Amino acid sequence: EIVLTQSPATLSLSPGERATLSCRASQSVSSYLAWYQQKPGQAPRLLIYDASNRATGIPARFSGSGSGTDFTLTISSLEPEDFAVYYCQQRSNWAWTFGQGTKVEIK
Amino acid sequence: EVQLVESGGGLVQPGGSLRLSCAASGFTFSSYWMHWVRQAPGKGLVWVSRINSDGSSTSYADSVKGRFTISRDNAKNTLYLQMNSLRAEDTAVYYCARVGIAWYFDLWGRGTLVTVSS
Repeated sequence: EIVLTQSPATLSLSPGERATLSCRASQSVSSYLAWYQQKPGQAPRLLIYDASNRATGIPARFSGSGSGTDFTLTISSLEPEDFAVYYCQQRSNWAWTFGQGTKVEIK
Repeated sequence: EVQLVESGGGLVQPGGSLRLSCAASGFTFSSYWMHWVRQAPGKGLVWVSRINSDGSSTSYADSVKGRFTISRDNAKNTLYLQMNSLRAEDTAVYYCARVGIAWYFDLWGRGTLVTVSS
């Protein structure tokens, strides 16, 4: 099973600041990686797929990069509605696993 | 409206059984693979099971293999998860999710809470 490790566990930032979230895979997943946002009491929402493609309706301030084992989600300038938990997820070899999540909280 | 609505959760004793349902609407259900993903209280997302579009192929996480069964009724636009031999560690919100764009989860239900406790 491919294990995804996210860092940091918590990111404390202010609105307007840049957020950089990391996801590392235990073995290569090529570009088969997605990022999801989850707010309290809500289902996750797909933000980025295939490492760098924004899903429909996702603002341009969200961007993804990386391939192989190291991936990054960047939020260029945090809006109040961006404070949430973010999960990476891989779909390599017809198996699906999630990282443990990074919480982006208001500083 | 395109949506997924889960139901069937509740309180069950250890060793008991429960069947979850996920009603799909607003899209051609029979064209999509479907999954169940769970989230224990205060914890992260964990993949549970998946089924292909016609129901002929399934797979499970090791933690539920042999105890849970995923199925679907395309005529009723409904996905199911039969959960047997439930354990305390199965306590979670269970989400059904559609695999859409590039084989990622592009549509989620709001979840149904399963609590396993005596």
